[in-house]
Amino acid sequence: DGGITQSPKYLFRKEGQNVTLSCEQNLNHDAMYWYRQDPGQGLRLIYYSQIVNDFQKGDIAEGYSVSREKKESFPLTVTSAQKNPTAFYLCASSIGLAVSTDTQYFGPGTRLTVL
Amino acid sequence: EDKVVQSPLSLVVHEGDTVTLNCSYEVTNFRSLLWYKQEKKAPTFLFMLTSSGIEKKSGRLSSILDKKELFSILNITATQTGDSAIYLCAVTNLNYGGSQGNLIFGKGTKLSVKP
Repeated sequence: DGGITQSPKYLFRKEGQNVTLSCEQNLNHDAMYWYRQDPGQGLRLIYYSQIVNDFQKGDIAEGYSVSREKKESFPLTVTSAQKNPTAFYLCASSIGLAVSTDTQYFGPGTRLTVL
Repeated sequence: EDKVVQSPLSLVVHEGDTVTLNCSYEVTNFRSLLWYKQEKKAPTFLFMLTSSGIEKKSGRLSSILDKKELFSILNITATQTGDSAIYLCAVTNLNYGGSQGNLIFGKGTKLSVKP
């Protein structure tokens, strides 16, 4: 079945540690996105990538890093510089970056808790 | 398996028409249902519904939840070309350690409003 997978589903880390969240898609989509969701807020864009080896900062990129070495994969690293990393992280992909016409397909999410 | 199903997948109307978008769900430990409008890179939040039968309104948009029949509708009256977007429905469930729960998205309804 085609789709987007994220792992792990739940993640705990200690303060000061970097952690990497996985996102894989087998939909042959060019564009991929990372969002975070906090209680009472809408989705906020962290990073997005239109093509392999290229990515752009979203609205809240500070303290995060990404890579896009393969079309199918867009891992997100939450660094120790991110001051409030506890959140629900969603990965999405779309055929292209025409966001008014290309539906974004969302993964199941990763809930990160910093202890 | 938790799932959210939206219908129709796409819809074309003329300015001034009224539209109704549907969202049905099967989720264990349901907590809330959210509607988003996707026209820029990050979907923008429209409504959060937690109680059955209470309509939420914002201008020409309104939404209601039926927890017995497990569905929600989003109404848009007197549609305008600026309403053209993808409308996403998502459901949260009570889950481990989360006051917010995890988001499960539907595939979206693509609305096109013609002048």
